[in-house]
Amino acid sequence: DTEVTQTPKHLVMGMTNKKSLKCEQHMGHRAMYWYKQKAKKPPELMFVYSYEKLSINESVPSRFSPECPNSSLLNLHLHALQPEDSALYLCASTGGNYGYTFGSGTRLTVV
Amino acid sequence: AQSVAQPEDQVNVAEGNPLTVKCTYSVSGNPYLFWYVQYPNRGLQFLLKYITGDNLVKGSYGFEAEFNKSQTSFHLKKPSALVSDSALYFCAVRDIRQNAGNNRKLIWGLGTSLAVNP
Repeated sequence: DTEVTQTPKHLVMGMTNKKSLKCEQHMGHRAMYWYKQKAKKPPELMFVYSYEKLSINESVPSRFSPECPNSSLLNLHLHALQPEDSALYLCASTGGNYGYTFGSGTRLTVV
Repeated sequence: AQSVAQPEDQVNVAEGNPLTVKCTYSVSGNPYLFWYVQYPNRGLQFLLKYITGDNLVKGSYGFEAEFNKSQTSFHLKKPSALVSDSALYFCAVRDIRQNAGNNRKLIWGLGTSLAVNP
């Protein structure tokens, strides 16, 4: 299995809702990432987990809360988001070959 | 400051012609270099990487890239473009200096939109 799987593919949520994004990989990669990407822009790093511990938080607002329950799974919990948080959220993982494998992303719309 | 530059926002080529998407970088030491492609409404797909060794790297879908250390460039090339190559291309650099605390971070270019015309 050489994929990163993200669910859901699309999500529409109100500003008072709580939702979660899920990311899963079974490549044995020990680093996992959350990125936010606006249209036609490069992805912006949000969080990095290394060996299931949060190693980088790029000063992301607390309305985004990451979680890494195990080495294969990464969640992003969302609460009280703003319309400007609407974006494509990408998960990625890295292994020993230095390459980053990205998921297809979750297209989030906050209304 | 570390940076990656993709000097062209848009590249237009005719189908069958060779294409080049340019990338230059400013990172200390010997970085790892990557090219990714993004089709509309899709995630990022890995094309190729340079870590060490031969300066000419071959990747997916017939793409290749040439690492030029003296010019700090890593241009993406393809001998014969296809309409299906039309997409957004990102160059990225990973800083692998031993003491770089954020060495798992990628430094991204702003992207180049490639349009291949039939």
